[in-house]
Amino acid sequence: GESVGLHLPTLSVQEGDNSIINCAYSNSASDYFIWYKQESGKGPQFIIDIRSNMDKRQGQRVTVLLNKTVKHLSLQIAATQPGDSAVYFCAENRRSGAGSYQLTFGKGTKLSVIP
Amino acid sequence: DAGVTQSPTHLIKTRGQQVTLRCSPKSGHDTVSWYQQALGQGPQFIFQYYEEEERQRGNFPDRFSGHQFPNYSSELNVNALLLGDSALYLCASSLAGSVLYTQYFGPGTRLTVL
Repeated sequence: GESVGLHLPTLSVQEGDNSIINCAYSNSASDYFIWYKQESGKGPQFIIDIRSNMDKRQGQRVTVLLNKTVKHLSLQIAATQPGDSAVYFCAENRRSGAGSYQLTFGKGTKLSVIP
Repeated sequence: DAGVTQSPTHLIKTRGQQVTLRCSPKSGHDTVSWYQQALGQGPQFIFQYYEEEERQRGNFPDRFSGHQFPNYSSELNVNALLLGDSALYLCASSLAGSVLYTQYFGPGTRLTVL
């Protein structure tokens, strides 16, 4: 069935290094993707999004890359800091009716930053 | 500018009981979506409310119901609680008619069913 999934469940990175979190999706009709960060005991926090008509978008220390050919999404975090330790979800924002969108999440990747 | 707020933060119930969770959307938002997040999993869509009506629904039984009020706040009700209903319940708000309908989440309500 259609889903959004992640390649790796956990990722450990040395402080100061760059982190790359990957995500695969299967619905080629998806037109919008979002990365969320969720710290322990908190709700998901919006990080960055990208529309399907783009292949790259940059934010503050984060970059999202979209490869529609292989249905792959990645989140790059530059100069990873201890505060970046969290679970990261990619989510597909899919149109599900007139004026209505529904988020479909993957299982998440846990990023641990080693001081 | 207040973000999405939810109450209560934690709740403990026993099997068979009923529970009501509350959500106030981010200022300026008019659409509220509810999600259930089991431990170690991604959030699962329950339903979405807009203009005080349920606009779409995920794969959840009728024991899960909701309501949206004229001020856009929302409630999630769960009847006949099961042990498997233990989870973090998340509310997200968005603005209908915006370009991308980006959803912003509240901190969640942790429900434990004993």
